[in-house]
Amino acid sequence: DIVMTQTPLSLSVTPGQPASISCKSSQSLLHSGGKTYLYWYLQKPGQSPHLLISQVSNRFSGVPDRFSGSGSGTDFTLKISRVETEDVGVYYCMQSTQLPRTFGQGTKVEIK
Amino acid sequence: QVQLVESGGGLVKPGGSLRLSCAASGFILSDFHMSWIRQTPGKGLEWVSYIASSGTSVYYADSVKGRFSISRDNAKNSLFLQMNSLGADDTAVYYCARDRVGIVFDYWGQGTLVTVSS
Repeated sequence: DIVMTQTPLSLSVTPGQPASISCKSSQSLLHSGGKTYLYWYLQKPGQSPHLLISQVSNRFSGVPDRFSGSGSGTDFTLKISRVETEDVGVYYCMQSTQLPRTFGQGTKVEIK
Repeated sequence: QVQLVESGGGLVKPGGSLRLSCAASGFILSDFHMSWIRQTPGKGLEWVSYIASSGTSVYYADSVKGRFSISRDNAKNSLFLQMNSLGADDTAVYYCARDRVGIVFDYWGQGTLVTVSS
């Protein structure tokens, strides 16, 4: 199975400041078809996870443009350009290049 | 709007069985693949099972293979997860999620709690 490792596991950010979360996979996520199936999800307190970013860098419908994803191969990053109070929660990366789909451990973001 | 509503969770004894349901609305279920994902405080998020839109292809995590069975009734806009031989490690919140090629888990249900305990 592909192991997804996120760092840091927790992050305390001042509103208006940037934040960055790293996600590393134990194998390349480049699919034989040429696409990279790396996703980012946010689980706000008391809610189900919801999709932020698909295929490394594509923001899902309604996701603010302060969220951006980048990376390739085994190294990926989620950046929030200016953190807002509504961004608190746990962020997860996930790969679907290979079965089984596997998630990172999660990064808890809180506001200072 | 897209809505997924899970039901069927509860308390079950070790070795017991439970059947989860997921009612879909706001989209045509037969157009989409679907998955079950579970979440525990200790192990985080774990993908459990996948079923293709037509129901012809199914996949399972090794941890549930041979014990869980995924199915769907597109005419009734419903997804199911039959869980047998349950153990303490199966205690989790179970979510159903829409599963598209290239946009995986774009919508999730609110989850249903399964507790396996004597």
